[in-house]
Amino acid sequence: DVKVTQSSRYLVKRTGEKVFLECVQDMDHENMFWYRQDPGLGLRLIYFSYDVKMKEKGDIPEGYSVSREKKERFSLILESASTNQTSMYLCASSGTAGYNEQFFGPGTRLTVL
Amino acid sequence: KNQVEQSPQSLIILEGKNCTLQCNYTVSPFSNLRWYKQDTGRGPVSLTIMTFSENTKSNGRYTATLDADTKQSSLHITASQLSDSASYICVVKSGYNKLIFGAGTRLAVHP
Repeated sequence: DVKVTQSSRYLVKRTGEKVFLECVQDMDHENMFWYRQDPGLGLRLIYFSYDVKMKEKGDIPEGYSVSREKKERFSLILESASTNQTSMYLCASSGTAGYNEQFFGPGTRLTVL
Repeated sequence: KNQVEQSPQSLIILEGKNCTLQCNYTVSPFSNLRWYKQDTGRGPVSLTIMTFSENTKSNGRYTATLDADTKQSSLHITASQLSDSASYICVVKSGYNKLIFGAGTRLAVHP
């Protein structure tokens, strides 16, 4: 079974703090993604990566950065957290064969006070 | 503009009843359509995937349909169970490899 794990299920931070969200997958997938999920909206893509040390902006990259130093790990960084970044953050990974199904982690619910 | 719209936003049904969730999309070019189930506090899990040539696909009590001409899909749940309580998300993949997510339908199954 594909397993995508995220470092925290719940996180509370203060405005201006630097926040790291970690994601690890165990299926040797090339592709990894970070989304945010807000009530009434579909998942929105923040950043994705097709290879180690490679990153591409998604639809809403402002206020975020990412790091992919190893194939299995993809980190999302909030350089200076703001209250409008309070959200559920979902990490996903996919291979390159077949339908490229994305497998999701359990999510991190981040609250910025 | 590429969009995926789901209806209803939320739905309450009694255990054992059937229900149908709708998904309309304007994504072009179309590659495939997938239904995900997302339990509260969990990540989405794929239920079915449908390509342009497929009209119907089943996964247990879940049956998805696709009408590529009208750009509509539905997810039918038969003999609902309490464990079906979740959000159901319709996701369309464009020919440019981009995923467009619907906002989801929140289903509550009551005993």
